[in-house]
Amino acid sequence: NAGVTQTPKFRILKIGQSMTLQCAQDMNHNYMYWYRQDPGMGLKLIYYSVGAGITDKGEVPNGYNVSRSTTEDFPLRLELAAPSQTSVYFCASSRHPSAKNIQYFGAGTRLSVL
Amino acid sequence: AQKVTQAQTEISVVEKEDVTLDCVYETRDTTYYLFWYKQPPSGELVFLIRRNSFDEQNEISGRYSWNFQKSTSSFNFTITASQVVDSAVYFCALSEANSGNTPLVFGKGTRLSVIA
Repeated sequence: NAGVTQTPKFRILKIGQSMTLQCAQDMNHNYMYWYRQDPGMGLKLIYYSVGAGITDKGEVPNGYNVSRSTTEDFPLRLELAAPSQTSVYFCASSRHPSAKNIQYFGAGTRLSVL
Repeated sequence: AQKVTQAQTEISVVEKEDVTLDCVYETRDTTYYLFWYKQPPSGELVFLIRRNSFDEQNEISGRYSWNFQKSTSSFNFTITASQVVDSAVYFCALSEANSGNTPLVFGKGTRLSVIA
């Protein structure tokens, strides 16, 4: 089972460049999330989606955009990359929104902005 | 507001030793869920366990066990007879039932190194 697939695994950007981090899940989950993980810190929520066409901000949304045109895909867009966005990005999905639902994570994308 | 504290930043043990990872949480909800995730050196996050606030029974799964105590707001994780493959960063997380769509709140993680 593929689960949650993130691409690319690694990327180096120059300041001001843009890129899209891809996330796809094959579990037919309605709920999808983007987190960032900074060194020595836990994961912080950037954006989440409750279904196709519906997205909402998390704790740290500034500098990012998302879209959800299909149930399977939830790309994260960085328009003007800044050094502060150097981080590891994780995409996750869950079947339902309720607190008990387990979130399943992708392998992460390591991004450096220089 | 919900909060998860993992006071141990790094722990090193010798193989076969037992080790306990601490997790203390804060919440105003009476219904909530606690989770542990493992992040091995390869980087992915692997779900280990989920516990709801009404179930204080300890759980054992092989060499892993979890001790949930509402009186001290703690959900500690013990690895018995540790192995090198247990080396990873371990995250404790909390989700409140009444927080709407707000997903997991994570602690900062504890890095466990098991030395052969």
